[in-house]
Amino acid sequence: QKEVEQNSGPLSVPEGAIASLNCTYSDRGSQSFFWYRQYSGKSPELIMFIYSNGDKEDGRFTAQLNKASQYVSLLIRDSQPSDSATYLCASRNSGNTPLVFGKGTRLSVIA
Amino acid sequence: DARVTQTPRDKVTEMGQEVTMRCQPILGHNTVFWYRQTMMQGLELLAYFRNRAPLDDSGMPKDRFSAEMPDATLATLKIQPSEPRDSAVYFCASGLEETQYFGPGTRLLVL
Repeated sequence: QKEVEQNSGPLSVPEGAIASLNCTYSDRGSQSFFWYRQYSGKSPELIMFIYSNGDKEDGRFTAQLNKASQYVSLLIRDSQPSDSATYLCASRNSGNTPLVFGKGTRLSVIA
Repeated sequence: DARVTQTPRDKVTEMGQEVTMRCQPILGHNTVFWYRQTMMQGLELLAYFRNRAPLDDSGMPKDRFSAEMPDATLATLKIQPSEPRDSAVYFCASGLEETQYFGPGTRLLVL
């Protein structure tokens, strides 16, 4: 059974702080990892993906991957109240195949 | 601005009725996914197609769910007969290579 685990939260951080979201996965065959943001009542929006060990930065977002530990994280710098949402971590084995999603971590950024 | 479209956006029906949900993928995307999201289970894959051919529908209850892709611009998900436990948000996503983009979803309530 392929599983992606996330702490459901809520994770509360003050405005301007760094939010750190974590995810573990069970399938060692997973090749790519994705972070989606989902506002209440909306569909998931892709933030970024990573497939190599290490860090990948995109604006205020940094994804980190450690395949040996089967661990993925997302850092959000200078958190804003507009970042308050549920963050979904997902893994995929190869190519354009289905994603396996965690249940999401709810982030609340307090102004 | 290319995006996945889904209809209807909301559907309320009574148990036993047929429900049909439609999805128009992004033009040029060759892979279409149907996911279902509930509070308890999170996002789960129901079925997916590549180049209109069904590749995996193991996530669907076969006795009541069916998914088809009659042409490259239309994917359908049908439930017959519907049951209260089918109440959920159904997302269609389309993709090409690495990324998948989600439609707005169909919120289904079966009474």
